[in-house]
Amino acid sequence: EAGVAQSPRYKIIEKRQSVAFWCNPISGHATLYWYQQILGQGPKLLIQFQNNGVVDDSQLPKDRFSAERLKGVDSTLKIQPAKLEDSAVYLCASSFPQGGWNTGELFFGEGSRLTVL
Amino acid sequence: AQSVTQPDIHITVSEGASLELRCNYSYGATPYLFWYVQSPGQGLQLLLKYFSGDTLVQGIKGFEAEFKRSQSSFNLRKPSVHWSDAAEYFCAVAPMDSSYKLIFGSGTRLLVRP
Repeated sequence: EAGVAQSPRYKIIEKRQSVAFWCNPISGHATLYWYQQILGQGPKLLIQFQNNGVVDDSQLPKDRFSAERLKGVDSTLKIQPAKLEDSAVYLCASSFPQGGWNTGELFFGEGSRLTVL
Repeated sequence: AQSVTQPDIHITVSEGASLELRCNYSYGATPYLFWYVQSPGQGLQLLLKYFSGDTLVQGIKGFEAEFKRSQSSFNLRKPSVHWSDAAEYFCAVAPMDSSYKLIFGSGTRLLVRP
């Protein structure tokens, strides 16, 4: 079974430029998450989708970050314009909770490392 | 406020020694509890999880964790550490509702001395 795919793995941009990250979850997984992991910190949830609807985007800086999951499958996270403090690893995860957390493990991709200069 | 605390930023142990990584949570009710491991350049991998029942949970790679309600803790243990266990370990919690939201602690980096 293929895992969660993310691209690009690495991206270096200047501040005020834009960047987009792509995530393809495990086939059949209804829930998709984007996390931001700043160096030395734990992952912080940015946005959570259930199929193609947003469940939680309370910690997404909406003035510069946007995310979509148009067909309920893959997803794109965009940052425009980027700031220095956006330097982080952006992790995508997916899960298929079957009526609860009993089998609702999150499967993570390897992440996309962003450096903003 | 809901929070997950991992008080140790770094821990160094000798290979073959025992290990305990601490995790405390603050929640209105007992949440679901998880431990994840992140090796350099890799994604997060689930080690074990606690939902209910037996408070001692067995996971992969020889890890176990014990839930203590009175202490709001979920500490991770391993009786004998291997050099390949060097990684970052994250405790995480999820509320017992239908949000399926996972909240992580700040992590503990494990270094293993040969």
